[in-house]
Amino acid sequence: GAGVSQSPSNKVTEKGKDVELRCDPISGHTALYWYRQRLGQGLEFLIYFQGNSAPDKSGLPSDRFSAERTGESVSTLTIQRTQQEDSAVYLCASSTDTPGEKLFFGSGTQLSVL
Amino acid sequence: GESVGLHLPTLSVQEGDNSIINCAYSNSASDYFIWYKQESGKGPQFIIDIRSNMDKRQGQRVTVLLNKTVKHLSLQIAATQPGDSAVYFCASNAGNMLTFGGGTRLMVKP
Repeated sequence: GAGVSQSPSNKVTEKGKDVELRCDPISGHTALYWYRQRLGQGLEFLIYFQGNSAPDKSGLPSDRFSAERTGESVSTLTIQRTQQEDSAVYLCASSTDTPGEKLFFGSGTQLSVL
Repeated sequence: GESVGLHLPTLSVQEGDNSIINCAYSNSASDYFIWYKQESGKGPQFIIDIRSNMDKRQGQRVTVLLNKTVKHLSLQIAATQPGDSAVYFCASNAGNMLTFGGGTRLMVKP
């Protein structure tokens, strides 16, 4: 696609429910990142996929958070048993296979946990 | 590094003035640096980047300055306009990843 696409753009859920967030990276981009951004704050790294390498999960805040990526395409971020503190914008970004180079971001998913 | 959990510092400037947004990085091995602009409700967008073999790079109304001695990066915006109001993030590479700074909110007064 022309850019990084994320869905849904908004998600409202009840505390305790599971949610799945989807990211479609730019075609041909081998690297994919998930970030969390709380209201009025900076970008909090969650997880990083690079090609067929094992993902870097060092930023996941708890075992309720997990992510998968199918080859070099779609990724899903799953949050189990959501808590109110999970409310944030979840941003996905992708880049070419040059490590640590320019990232292209999606518009994010606004998650609200009631 | 990231300033997760801290509210963003704010820079307020008059329309037409020049803006300077500063950023410090910690990894002396970083050799690639980038600035992003994030408008309300949108994802961060690329503004300009610079490699460590340069100390200055200019774009359209924007200039990035790199001081490797003190590990400092700045973004200068000339003739700031209301459309420049946004949050600005710097990032530097750390190994195979970009590490983001905490961000600065730029407010442009008409």
